[in-house]
Amino acid sequence: EPEVTQTPSHQVTQMGQEVILRCVPISNHLYFYWYRQILGQKVEFLVSFYNNEISEKSEIFDDQFSVERPDGSNFTLKIRSTKLEDSAMYFCASGERATNTGELFFGEGSRLTVL
Amino acid sequence: AQTVTQSQPEMSVQEAETVTLSCTYDTSENNYYLFWYKQPPSRQMILVIRQEAYKQQNATENRFSVNFQKAAKSFSLKISDSQLGDTAMYFCAFMKRRSGSQGNLIFGKGTKLSVKP
Repeated sequence: EPEVTQTPSHQVTQMGQEVILRCVPISNHLYFYWYRQILGQKVEFLVSFYNNEISEKSEIFDDQFSVERPDGSNFTLKIRSTKLEDSAMYFCASGERATNTGELFFGEGSRLTVL
Repeated sequence: AQTVTQSQPEMSVQEAETVTLSCTYDTSENNYYLFWYKQPPSRQMILVIRQEAYKQQNATENRFSVNFQKAAKSFSLKISDSQLGDTAMYFCAFMKRRSGSQGNLIFGKGTKLSVKP
């Protein structure tokens, strides 16, 4: 069964460093998302991406964050200069427009630890 | 803005018993979806069950069913004949319905369910 895959599963970085989290969505999906979950808190929407551009973003998604779909398969989240409060689990998700069921398919997440 | 509230941080149930997880939400929208997602330990979130707001009939998927009360903005999940594999974090989520496109999910904080042998 097709699934969303994310790498790395865990990354430890120093404050101020750039981090890129990678996702391979399900191949025929058209909508792509990043969510994050700080330990003990709810899963929060960061950004959605459709037709090679951001379709919606939350207040969390400030200038430190960017997304890209560089090669038609990968979908990346870049954090330019990490802060301690960026430590969280980051989930990628994809959705299939054609069915319009609303269902999203999630990856296993990338745990980011900022020291 | 939409909000989703899950008032039970943790619950436990004996194997083969029935358990109900609560969820309430707040929205001014009339057309939306509601979901329950399950996240087993160290695994990705997977969809358990989905409800379309315009449908009065409660959704069911095998041992999983919902009690959708639109006026009360309540969406509880009932798990019958609980199995050890049901042990997971359960998230209630809301999505505004948009014609011809996908919205984004608004999640509750989750309920950690433990099924005991």
